[in-house]
Amino acid sequence: EPEVTQTPSHQVTQMGQEVILRCVPISNHLYFYWYRQILGQKVEFLVSFYNNEISEKSEIFDDQFSVERPDGSNFTLKIRSTKLEDSAMYFCASSEIGTSAETQYFGPGTRLLVL
Amino acid sequence: GESVGLHLPTLSVQEGDNSIINCAYSNSASDYFIWYKQESGKGPQFIIDIRSNMDKRQGQRVTVLLNKTVKHLSLQIAATQPGDSAVYFCAENNYGGSQGNLIFGKGTKLSVKP
Repeated sequence: EPEVTQTPSHQVTQMGQEVILRCVPISNHLYFYWYRQILGQKVEFLVSFYNNEISEKSEIFDDQFSVERPDGSNFTLKIRSTKLEDSAMYFCASSEIGTSAETQYFGPGTRLLVL
Repeated sequence: GESVGLHLPTLSVQEGDNSIINCAYSNSASDYFIWYKQESGKGPQFIIDIRSNMDKRQGQRVTVLLNKTVKHLSLQIAATQPGDSAVYFCAENNYGGSQGNLIFGKGTKLSVKP
């Protein structure tokens, strides 16, 4: 069964450093998403992406964040100048056509720790 | 306030019993709801979904009930097994959002005692 994959599984970085989290969505899916989950809290939407541009973003997704589809398979989340409060699990998700009544499939996540 | 929340943060059941996990939502315009299961260290795993034009939907050992009158969603797991132990999240589509980003509840931890 096709699945969303993410790398790395864990990332430790120093405050102020840049990190890039990588995702490979399900191959025939057209919409991609990033969510984050701070330890013990609920999953929060960050951004959705379609046709090489951002479709929607939340208040969390400020200028510190950016997303990119550098090639036909990868989808990345870049966090510039990381802060302590960026420590969280980051989940990538994808859906086939991105309608409001469609299942999003999640990857296993990247655990980011900012020291 | 939160759009989606959960009544019970933890639920402990005996193996073989049925489990019921509840969720309240506040956006009456939401028209799609999903239950996800999250095991420790893993991403949310789709369990079952339901559209607002339905009251009930059944899957394998799971049933989702939707009560639009009181804006309540529940997940029923029949014959709960140790492998069902996880955190369960309800999520609703952000109706009005163009690409349907999801709003998650806080989660209920289900523990199954052997």
